[in-house]
Order: sequence, then structure tokens, then C-alpha cells
Amino acid sequence: DIQMTQSPSSLSASVGDRVTITCQASQDISSYLNWFQQKPGKAPKLLIYDADTLATGVPARFSGSGSGTDFTFTISSLQPEDIATYFCQQYDNLPLTFGGGSKVEIK
Amino acid sequence: QVQLQESGPGLVKPSETLSLTCGVSGFSISSGYYWAWIRQPPGKGLEWIGSIYHSGTTYYNPSLKSRVTISVDTSKNQFSLQLTSVTAADSAVYYCARHKLYGEIDYWGQGTLVTVSS
Repeated sequence: DIQMTQSPSSLSASVGDRVTITCQASQDISSYLNWFQQKPGKAPKLLIYDADTLATGVPARFSGSGSGTDFTFTISSLQPEDIATYFCQQYDNLPLTFGGGSKVEIK
Repeated sequence: QVQLQESGPGLVKPSETLSLTCGVSGFSISSGYYWAWIRQPPGKGLEWIGSIYHSGTTYYNPSLKSRVTISVDTSKNQFSLQLTSVTAADSAVYYCARHKLYGEIDYWGQGTLVTVSS
């Protein structure tokens, strides 16, 4: 199985701050990576696919980059409604696997 | 708008079989895509259980393969999960979702909490 390692596991930032989360795959997954946002008690929501493609309707302050084994997810200007846990997920190989999540809180 | 809705018992006894169904509206399962079950123990991360295509082709997580069966009923536009010999470790929120096998998971159900307890 491909292991997905996210960091940090949690962070606290101020409204308007730039927030960056990293995701490292245990082997080369090309650009086969999704990013999800999950708010408490809700299902995950797709934000980014193919490592850097914004899903329909997702605000442009969210972005993704990377390929191979190292990926980055960025919120350019943190908003109060962005409080959530963010997960990466690889689809290069089965089984599909997810990162452990990064919880974003407001300072 | 594609919508998925999980249904099934919220409490299952240890050693018994967990059975859930996912009803799909706004999209015909027969039109394509894969249909997945994904679970999340309380406060923990996400685990892919397996996926099915409308033809009946299935892919399972090897960690659960011996206990999992996913089936599809295209006439009812729904698919189902059976997980046998459950233990407390199988307690989780179970989600159904639509995805490309090697691609984005774009629609999710709201999730249903299943607790394994006597």
C-alpha cells in the first residue's frame, strides 16, 4: 500500500494568513492526488484533483501543487469558513489511501 | 444534482454482519463511474473499503477483502456493502461515494454511524 504522510497534523493561523499543508507519498504517484476538506459532522468535499486542478465551484484561494512524492496544499488567505480538516488521497494504485489529516483552526 | 444516501442499522453486534445500502439519485449508476464505500472511525482518518462498477466488477482493500462484499442493483440505482464478523474496530462512520477508479471522488453521501456493540 502507498502510505500518505501529511504535516502538520494541526495548525492555528489568523484570518488572512497563508496556510500550507504538505503531503508525502511513500512512492512516486505522479500527479494522482486529491485534496479534500472535511468540516465536523460532514462528508469530505473534493477541493483539488490531479494534484493541482481546482474542483468546480471551489474558491480560488485554494491551490495545490507537486508531483512524484511531494505535494503542497495552500490556502492563500485563510477565511473563518475554512476551519476544517484537510486530507490528501492518492489514486495511483489500489488500495486508495488517505493522509492522516491536517486540522486547521483560527488563532 | 447527484445525491447519495446511506441506510442501514446503526448498531450491529460483534461477530455479526454489517449491511448498508447506498441509494443514488440524479445519476444512473449504469452510466459509469465507480461506486465506493469509505469509512472513518470517530476522530480518525479515512479508509477505502472497496468499489464497484455497474457491471459488477469489484475492487476491495486487501486489509478487509476476506470480510467484504459490495454488490450493485442497477434496477434500484443502489449499491450495498456487507462486512462480516464485525468487531468494535469496525465501528465508524460509513460513507458511500462516486469516483473515477483512478481519479477524483466527487460526490459523497452524508455518512452513517455504525457502532459495533453487544
